[in-house]
Amino acid sequence: GAVVSQHPSWVICKSGTSVKIECRSLDFQATTMFWYRQFPKQSLMLMATSNEGSKATYEQGVEKDKFLINHASLTLSTLTVTSAHPEDSSFYICSARDGTGDRTPYNEQFFGPGTRLTVL
Amino acid sequence: QQQVKQSPQSLIVQKGGISIINCAYENTAFDYFPWYQQFPGKGPALLIAIRPDVSEKKEGRFTISFNKSAKQFSLHIMDSQPGDSATYFCAASRASGTYKYIFGTGTRLKVLA
Repeated sequence: GAVVSQHPSWVICKSGTSVKIECRSLDFQATTMFWYRQFPKQSLMLMATSNEGSKATYEQGVEKDKFLINHASLTLSTLTVTSAHPEDSSFYICSARDGTGDRTPYNEQFFGPGTRLTVL
Repeated sequence: QQQVKQSPQSLIVQKGGISIINCAYENTAFDYFPWYQQFPGKGPALLIAIRPDVSEKKEGRFTISFNKSAKQFSLHIMDSQPGDSATYFCAASRASGTYKYIFGTGTRLKVLA
């Protein structure tokens, strides 16, 4: 149990285009989802936290108009990188938390396999 | 106060040896401390986690030691194997509010055959 999937696993796009990444919880209700980005040989950097049905909360320094996050259901969150540029190339990872009380510990996050974005 | 400091940055261990990775935190409100293992190109996977009400937790070859007064916790990998070669991250979070994780900087472990 507690499986999180991401799609696509990798994507290559041209500079200036937008890219959407999906994050799904397959067997639990993800009341909260988190989006991270990770540069090579670095740690995970939290970009934003989203609760189902609410606007995402972005970390300081993350452009909310560039990284659009939607968490419309308890099993799906999307991250859209708008007008992508080469500096947005990174490994994007989502995680999900089940806050319904059905699963303990209640602050455990389950991570997806990541999406490698390359912007040419 | 939100930082989690992790050391060493890299570690080389002989097969069968013990790998030890240390983390230190500042915020006493943290009450959940997980360790994650990450292979190249993959998402992090939970190894083991601990809460401050216990000083040690063991699962198979993996043990977390927790020192609440020193605000430190460590991961011990016993009988290290080449398949354990990966990057390890510690994290800390609170049991309320956003529940977000503060990650350490990571330790790249290489176990020599």
